[in-house]
Amino acid sequence: DAGVTQSPTHLIKTRGQHVTLRCSPISGHKSVSWYQQVLGQGPQFIFQYYEKEERGRGNFPDRFSARQFPNYSSELNVNALLLGDSALYLCASSFRLAGGNEQFFGPGTRLTVL
Amino acid sequence: SQQGEEDPQALSIQEGENATMNCSYKTSINNLQWYRQNSGRGLVHLILIRSNEREKHSGRLRVTLDTSKKSSSLLITASRAADTASYFCATDSSNTGKLIFGQGTTLQVKP
Repeated sequence: DAGVTQSPTHLIKTRGQHVTLRCSPISGHKSVSWYQQVLGQGPQFIFQYYEKEERGRGNFPDRFSARQFPNYSSELNVNALLLGDSALYLCASSFRLAGGNEQFFGPGTRLTVL
Repeated sequence: SQQGEEDPQALSIQEGENATMNCSYKTSINNLQWYRQNSGRGLVHLILIRSNEREKHSGRLRVTLDTSKKSSSLLITASRAADTASYFCATDSSNTGKLIFGQGTTLQVKP
């Protein structure tokens, strides 16, 4: 079975631009979470979706938005990019929303903002 | 904001030695998880320990949890060069799968 997939692998944007990152969860998984990992730090929670509804949001500005589609894939959108948005963006999927379930992470999308 | 703090930030050992990493956190938790990350890639889940558990084993991994001290440790026995990676603890306080990660420990195992 395929694991969590993310696209694109790498992305270079300039300040002020908009970016869309995509994630496909493991087949059968209904929960998708997004994390931002700045170089040298641990991942920080951005969003959690379950059954196409937002179930959690981290401390990120409104420039960050996300959605989950009927097939449980997800998009993370970031508007008006800032240099500080440069990071590895990780997507994780799990079968259920409830805690205690193992989350499977994708390889990430490396975003560089110039 | 980061929930946990990991100690040490970096660890360098010889192959065959044991590696111990510690994690401290601030608020009560439902479970604590350890992840490995190779060279800035995706995270690999290693082990999950629930708040009512004190110790768990998985292969060469041993995790302990002390909720009274709000701390956990990860022991890797008989380390191998392939264990070279960054290790993160992550806490789940709301039991919803929203994870709060520590800063990580970078482990280097020299052959």
